[in-house]
Amino acid sequence: QLQLQESGSGLVKPSQTLSLTCVVSGDSISSGRYAWSWIRQPPGKGLEWIGYIYPRGSTYYSPSLTSRVTISVDRSKNQFSLKLNSVTAADTAVYYCARLTNYYDSSGSPQYYFDYWGQGTLVTVSS
Amino acid sequence: EIVLTQSPGTLSLSPGERATLSCRASQSVSSNYLSWYQQRSGQAPRLLMYATSNRATGTPDRFSGSGSGTDFTLTISGLEPEDFAVYYCQQYSSSPPIIFGPGTKVDIK
Repeated sequence: QLQLQESGSGLVKPSQTLSLTCVVSGDSISSGRYAWSWIRQPPGKGLEWIGYIYPRGSTYYSPSLTSRVTISVDRSKNQFSLKLNSVTAADTAVYYCARLTNYYDSSGSPQYYFDYWGQGTLVTVSS
Repeated sequence: EIVLTQSPGTLSLSPGERATLSCRASQSVSSNYLSWYQQRSGQAPRLLMYATSNRATGTPDRFSGSGSGTDFTLTISGLEPEDFAVYYCQQYSSSPPIIFGPGTKVDIK
């Protein structure tokens, strides 16, 4: 059974860099048609996609965050990471890592969905 | 950029009742790219439906999905206590790749 576990600092000062890591267990991060993603949820609000990375390093970021975000992968450690710089209180949220599966159905048409999620970690931006 | 709108914002129903949740896209999307997630209070979201009408592993058959183009629907045929939660639709497209709807909360009447 695939498992994802987030870790990192739970408290970050304004203007500093938020750093989180997601360790993947139960399968290789390099296997199959998967991308590895970060999604966040401010307290009491909805889900916001941050970005994802393919095992070979291709990245895709939300346009609203692209200037501040970096996602990287370490295949040797079976983990991927998030860095978000110049944080403000608006970046306070529960941060989830998730696997984005790219599956081809019987007609050869692609399907994309997040099938595994971490439990989430709360990051608070405060001085 | 595609925008997803979910309605209603909150749905107040009793156990056993039928729930109909709507997800509308600002432009046509592929039905292969539309998914639904359930988020219970204090928990991470979990995949419920993918490619509009396919149940994810572990999704009970009281859940069904339908739709095409810009209008998609998640139906729960008879609410169980564990179904009271927030439901998000999500679509994949070329740019930006991932968008979530604002969610519909199904709560107990």
